[in-house]
Amino acid sequence: QLQLQESGPGLVKPSETLSLTCTVSGGSISSSSYYWGWIRQPPGKGLEWIGSIYYSGSTYYNPSLKSRVTISVDTSKNQFSLKLSSVTAADTAVYYCARVTMVRGVPFDAFDIWGQGTMVTVSS
Amino acid sequence: DIQMTQSPSSVSASVGDRVTITCQASQGISSWLAWYQQKPGKAPKLLIYAASSLQSGVPSRFSGSGSGTDFTLTISSLQPEDFATYYCQQANSFPPTFGPGTKVDIK
Repeated sequence: QLQLQESGPGLVKPSETLSLTCTVSGGSISSSSYYWGWIRQPPGKGLEWIGSIYYSGSTYYNPSLKSRVTISVDTSKNQFSLKLSSVTAADTAVYYCARVTMVRGVPFDAFDIWGQGTMVTVSS
Repeated sequence: DIQMTQSPSSVSASVGDRVTITCQASQGISSWLAWYQQKPGKAPKLLIYAASSLQSGVPSRFSGSGSGTDFTLTISSLQPEDFATYYCQQANSFPPTFGPGTKVDIK
């Protein structure tokens, strides 16, 4: 069955760029018309949507983070990636990648398959 | 952005209890609401989408209802594996937003 796995550094220095990759296995990222997204969760807090990407490369970002976020897709590697620039301690969180459901074909629908998450700490 | 609130923030219950969690949106979202279950150290798991549609593989003791601004998640008979935190998410408009969560713990 479809699985998602996040990877990337667990520690990032303030003002630097956080970079994470989500590898999709058990299916092709481009064979079905799904959106793929990133969501984060600061320790002990709730969930925040970061952005979503279509397999064709169309992107949708949370306005609160838009100036610092870039999401891209590499269909040849069956991966999509997140870059968050100028990080601060407030960006410390577990970062999840997830698939958006196909119920309506919109980038902000429910998320039906999630990666296990990866903890990223911003500290010098 | 649409703001989501949940009540209660936590509930203590026993195995076999009926548990109801409510979620309210700051403006109407039709039926575009999802519910997730999250256990400590784990990713959220989709339970309900479109307010009342049960995700494949989710036990039928979970049910959702509501439309507009007021929604409910009901667990008809709480099982030991149901002790977790539950989040709602509006999927009506950009950007999607989540509620603050409701923790269900053992009484």
